[in-house]
Amino acid sequence: NAGVTQTPKFQVLKTGQSMTLQCAQDMNHNSMYWYRQDPGMGLRLIYYSASEGTTDKGEVPNGYNVSRLNKREFSLRLESAAPSQTSVYFCASRSFGQGGISGSPLHFGNGTRLTVT
Amino acid sequence: AQSVTQPDIHITVSEGASLELRCNYSYGATPYLFWYVQSPGQGLQLLLKYFSGDTLVQGIKGFEAEFKRSQSSFNLRKPSVHWSDAAEYFCAGPRGKDDKIIFGKGTRLHILP
Repeated sequence: NAGVTQTPKFQVLKTGQSMTLQCAQDMNHNSMYWYRQDPGMGLRLIYYSASEGTTDKGEVPNGYNVSRLNKREFSLRLESAAPSQTSVYFCASRSFGQGGISGSPLHFGNGTRLTVT
Repeated sequence: AQSVTQPDIHITVSEGASLELRCNYSYGATPYLFWYVQSPGQGLQLLLKYFSGDTLVQGIKGFEAEFKRSQSSFNLRKPSVHWSDAAEYFCAGPRGKDDKIIFGKGTRLHILP
């Protein structure tokens, strides 16, 4: 049972470089999420996808793009990395039940620790 | 926008003492709510979840939480903490009618021997 798989686990970028964080889930979940975690800030939602082909901004979307090409995969792209994007990034998924009052809790990947110098 | 608030950044309790971590939410409809725990350098583990029905929910590791609509709260409790409970705890719930789940800023729990 792989659950939610994120790659890479660690990455160091120079300011201005680009990269894509990959996320895949094998639980047939419809909702997928990208969060960033910074000390004292909890987890902040970057982008959300309710289903294949749909994405929506979260709390802190600036500087990021996402792509949900199929039900399994949800990638996060940094087009021009900045030091402020140094963070730990978590991908998550869940099944969204009727009116949201059912379904599953969030299942998380192990995270990607990104440093931008 | 709706919010999930954890008023306490740090909580310190003695081993064996009882624990209550606060979580307040603002959401018009009946929410679904979660508590997660994160040990240092680790990922997030689900402690318990509330979708509907019984307002007192049981979780793993002896934790429970009670949903109180009148107080807009979903506080996490444990009758007797263990040193291994030292971690950061996060409450989460929907930001609105869509499925955007947001988190509180977390409460770091310290255990005194």
